[in-house]
Amino acid sequence: ELKVEQNPLFLSMQEGKNYTIYCNYSTTSDRLYWYRQDPGKSLESLFVLLSNGAVKQEGRLMASLDTKARLSTLHITAAVHDLSATYFCAVAVSGTYKYIFGTGTRLKVLA
Amino acid sequence: NAGVTQTPKFQVLKTGQSMTLQCAQDMNHEYMSWYRQDPGMGLRLIHYSVGAGITDQGEVPNGYNVSRSTTEDFPLRLLSAAPSQTSVYFCASSMRALSTDTQYFGPGTRLTVL
Repeated sequence: ELKVEQNPLFLSMQEGKNYTIYCNYSTTSDRLYWYRQDPGKSLESLFVLLSNGAVKQEGRLMASLDTKARLSTLHITAAVHDLSATYFCAVAVSGTYKYIFGTGTRLKVLA
Repeated sequence: NAGVTQTPKFQVLKTGQSMTLQCAQDMNHEYMSWYRQDPGMGLRLIHYSVGAGITDQGEVPNGYNVSRSTTEDFPLRLLSAAPSQTSVYFCASSMRALSTDTQYFGPGTRLTVL
C-alpha cells in the first residue's frame, strides 16, 4: 500500500523556537511537494523537491529530500505566529500521474 | 489570470441527488485533478486528467464521474450523493502531466450530504 506519513500530526510551539516536520513515504518517487493550508482556505505551494539531497529555503522554512531514506523534512527556524497553518507533503508516484498526500501537520505557534 | 476556479463554494444535497462540481483553469494547464479532503486524512485523489479527452481514476473514484472535453474545464459529477461524500473538494491543475511543476489549487467546494 502506498503511504505518506507525516509526524507529528499536531505541533504547538513557542515563537522563536526551531522544529522539524517529517514526511516518510513508502513508494518510489522523484518529486516531492510541500504545501501550506490556512484554516478554511485552499492549499498554497511552498516547495518542489526533485532530487536526492535537494534543499530549498524560503524565509524561516527549509525543506530537504533524501530519496534513499524516502524521507523529507520541513524545518522551521525561529517560528513566528504567521507560520501557524497545516502543512502537507505530497509525493508523485513514479511512473504514474498520481499524487499521494500526507495527513498533514497542524502547526500552532504561540506568542 | 483567475487561476483555478470552482463553483459552487458551498452545497447541501439530499441523499440520492446528483450534482456537478465545476472546475475551470485559464492557465492552459494540461494536468487537472480532483481531491477530497476529510479531517485527519489529508487529500485523496479522486480522478485526474492529462489532457482533453483523457481521464483516469485516482485513489477514491467510486461514486464520481469526470469528463474533460476542453483543456480549461474538468467537472466532477456525483451520480447519487451519499453522506459519505460529505467533504471539501479541491480541484487542482499543473502545466504538464509528469512535470516537475507544482499543482495550483482552487478555493474548494464544501459539500454536505444529508
